Amino acid sequence: AQSVTQPDIHITVSEGASLELRCNYSYGATPYLFWYVQSPGQGLQLLLKYFSGDTLVQGIKGFEAEFKRSQSSFNLRKPSVHWSDAAEYFCAVARSRVDKLIFGTGTRLQVFP
Amino acid sequence: IAGITQAPTSQILAAGRRMTLRCTQDMRHNAMYWYRQDLGLGLRLIHYSNTAGTTGKGEVPDGYSVSRANTDDFPLTLASAVPSQTSVYFCASSVGQGSYNEQFFGPGTRLTVL
Repeated sequence: AQSVTQPDIHITVSEGASLELRCNYSYGATPYLFWYVQSPGQGLQLLLKYFSGDTLVQGIKGFEAEFKRSQSSFNLRKPSVHWSDAAEYFCAVARSRVDKLIFGTGTRLQVFP
Repeated sequence: IAGITQAPTSQILAAGRRMTLRCTQDMRHNAMYWYRQDLGLGLRLIHYSNTAGTTGKGEVPDGYSVSRANTDDFPLTLASAVPSQTSVYFCASSVGQGSYNEQFFGPGTRLTVL
C-alpha cells in the first residue's frame, strides 16, 4: 500500500531563514504528490502539486517542491520564511489522478522573529 | 462567496448520543469528502461522495454514515458516539473525483465525546 512519511513533527526557524520540509513516499510507480498548508484554526489549502513533467514545482506563497524519484522524496522549500508561514504542512500522495489522497502526519512550522 | 461551511464549530457530546455534522458548499462541486484529523495521524478519509446520490467508504468509515441527497449538502452522522471519535472533522469538496481536482476544505468541527 502506498504511504507518505513526514519525518519532522515540529520545525522552528527564524524569520528570513530558508526552509525545507521533508516528505517521503512509498509506492512503486510515480505517484501524484501534493503539499497542503493548514493555518491555525483553518482548513487545508493546496500549496502545490506534482503529476508529471518538470520535477521542480512552483506553488503559491513563494513555495516550491522538488520530486526526486531516486530518493522517493518530495520536499517543500522556501528561500525566506515569513512569520505568516507559521502553520502545519501536510504532504499527500495518490496513486493516480482518480485515486483518493493519503495524507502524511504533518509538520508544524514555528517562525521566530 | 462562502465556499464550504461546517456546523457546529465545536461540540461536546456524551457517549452514546447521536450527532450529525453538517457540511454545505456553494461551489456546485460534484465530489465531497469527510476527513478526521488526529494528532500524530494526520488526516484520514472517512467517507466520500463522487456525485449527488452516491457515497463511498474511505479509510476509517466504521461508526459513521453519510448521505448525499443533493449537490450542496453532505452530512456526517455518528449514530452512537464513542470517545475514540473525539477529533477534528473536516469537510472538503472538489469539482470532480480523484486527486487531479483540487480539494477545498471547510474550517472544521471540533468534536469531543465524553
